[in-house]
Amino acid sequence: SQQGEEDPQALSIQEGENATMNCSYKTSINNLQWYRQNSGRGLVHLILIRSNEREKHSGRLRVTLDTSKKSSSLLITASRAADTASYFCATDAGANSKLTFGKGITLSVRP
Amino acid sequence: DTAVSQTPKYLVTQMGNDKSIKCEQNLGHDTMYWYKQDSKKFLKIMFSYNNKELIINETVPNRFSPKSPDKAHLNLHINSLELGDSAVYFCASSPGQGTQPQHFGDGTRLSIL
Repeated sequence: SQQGEEDPQALSIQEGENATMNCSYKTSINNLQWYRQNSGRGLVHLILIRSNEREKHSGRLRVTLDTSKKSSSLLITASRAADTASYFCATDAGANSKLTFGKGITLSVRP
Repeated sequence: DTAVSQTPKYLVTQMGNDKSIKCEQNLGHDTMYWYKQDSKKFLKIMFSYNNKELIINETVPNRFSPKSPDKAHLNLHINSLELGDSAVYFCASSPGQGTQPQHFGDGTRLSIL
């Protein structure tokens, strides 16, 4: 079965608001990554957090990881219309392992 | 300059035909991948090559055959296309195996009539 499960499946917010997306997984991981996919385009890597890290920032992005709950959250602050996209979490179990993607969250930011 | 480029972008063909998708990366990466994304956006790995050597081969019908002539190229050939093969196929690359961020192409949308 799929390793990562994001929620909500769809999120609609107003420009300027914060967007929080969650990802849960089932087995132990080495790293967790978040990707963005704009309509008709490939996935773009946003941020990677290692299993021994609890929080990471990159610009307007903040990612947390709770390995005891097997969950991660992606927070986008001060959202913009250009943030409208699908967001995926992906996990791996270590070197030479594959990357397993969740089902994705569709974020719509209304101008 | 496009980092990971795949051709064609769209492929419409009849059931039973054979088709190929090409992928090239100019990032100097050692590892390349093929993923399949279905209509519900579920993304699943199909194959992975590291320095032209096959390292991941998921449960994919043997009608799908990847080929890596060099580490900058990974092509995907599909024989006897079926309706269920309709999907978007993504090529990706990363500096090494496993845990590093991957760079994706913009996909090839395959439609089987």
